[in-house]
Amino acid sequence: AQSVSQHNHHVILSEAASLELGCNYSYGGTVNLFWYVQYPGQHLQLLLKYFSGDPLVKGIKGFEAEFIKSKFSFNLRKPSVQWSDTAEYFCAVNNNAGNMLTFGGGTRLMVKP
Amino acid sequence: DGGITQSPKYLFRKEGQNVTLSCEQNLNHDAMYWYRQDPGQGLRLIYYSQIVNDFQKGDIAEGYSVSREKKESFPLTVTSAQKNPTAFYLCASSKQSPQGAREAFFGQGTRLTVV
Repeated sequence: AQSVSQHNHHVILSEAASLELGCNYSYGGTVNLFWYVQYPGQHLQLLLKYFSGDPLVKGIKGFEAEFIKSKFSFNLRKPSVQWSDTAEYFCAVNNNAGNMLTFGGGTRLMVKP
Repeated sequence: DGGITQSPKYLFRKEGQNVTLSCEQNLNHDAMYWYRQDPGQGLRLIYYSQIVNDFQKGDIAEGYSVSREKKESFPLTVTSAQKNPTAFYLCASSKQSPQGAREAFFGQGTRLTVV
């Protein structure tokens, strides 16, 4: 069975600080990787995804993530956060062999103005 | 507009009553899913369905039931057997790309409160 770990449950940053949220998964085969964001009172939205190819993936709103296969990681980064990035962020994994999308526990990010 | 519609947005029920949450999609996706979201636990899979008239249990199916009589619809019933039903419920759908990958699209969720 696949599993996803997000080690940072709560992160507080000041505006313009750099962000890195950790995501590790356990599955030995081919995986598809996602980061979703949930802004307060809104539905889950896709930030970025990795299916294959370049392991450095760029998403919306200046976010990027790097797939490091040897570390089973897919960390999310942003060079300079804004107050509007305050949200909960979820890493998710599925594999081509199955149909289930498995989520991490989420990271609540608060950006202080 | 194509998308996933969950209704209602907020639902209150008395303990011991069954309640059904609606999920409809017009994206022509073959697979549909129900997740439960609790603080600090992320999203946990309740049930999923890959095709009409077929569905599988997820990680926390106890106390829930589903049906998939139409491709567009995947209602979730929270039964009185569910020990802790108060939660935020998210419905999703997905379609497989030619490369075999799947991306899920989510509805806006239903917040169920059992009193």
